[in-house]
Amino acid sequence: DAMVIQNPRYQVTQFGKPVTLSCSQTLNHNVMYWYQQKSSQAPKLLFHYYDKDFNNEADTPDNFQSRRPNTSFCFLDIRSPGLGDAAMYLCATSREQGGYEQYFGPGTRLTVT
Amino acid sequence: GENVGLHLPTLSVQEGDNSIINCAYSNSASDYFIWYKQESGKGPQFIIDIRSNMDKRQGQRVTVLLNKTVKHLSLQIAATQPGDSAVYFCAETYYGQNFVFGPGTRLSVLP
Repeated sequence: DAMVIQNPRYQVTQFGKPVTLSCSQTLNHNVMYWYQQKSSQAPKLLFHYYDKDFNNEADTPDNFQSRRPNTSFCFLDIRSPGLGDAAMYLCATSREQGGYEQYFGPGTRLTVT
Repeated sequence: GENVGLHLPTLSVQEGDNSIINCAYSNSASDYFIWYKQESGKGPQFIIDIRSNMDKRQGQRVTVLLNKTVKHLSLQIAATQPGDSAVYFCAETYYGQNFVFGPGTRLSVLP
């Protein structure tokens, strides 16, 4: 049974056209993360929510925003996608912050045309 | 802790042999370390973790070693199988903040 679900799996958007990626979880975990992973590179943390508290990584561009309306859902909004934002976007959850295992979703591959 | 590198280092091992994948981490204050396995087209999958107050932890067919003196982490896979072929990432964090992945190593298991 899927525990971290990402929709859609593949998303195509136009340069500059806002796009939203979604993530949901059935684990009731407190923490939700968004990562960006480019081809042949490691995942790079963009931000995370600990409950309702938003934690942005220092080098995450302002073009990336996130919303967490409830425990189960978290959204990644890219306000004006550029060609360099084409990547796999991974959502992950963990029960708490600190030394706890992260559970990853399958990712959404974003193409920018 | 930068995620740079377009060419993943590759480790090729014969099926049945043991594999050792190494990782140098960046933050001496990191207190929690994880190894992930990522197959093509999938999200990373947790393999094993270790806290900074330990230097060795064993799981099923896997062992993680932590050397804080030289900021080095290794993953040992016993009796490597074709299903172990994947990209392996180490990750470090300090109290759940600044989750940083290493550059990754591609493990190729030869029949």
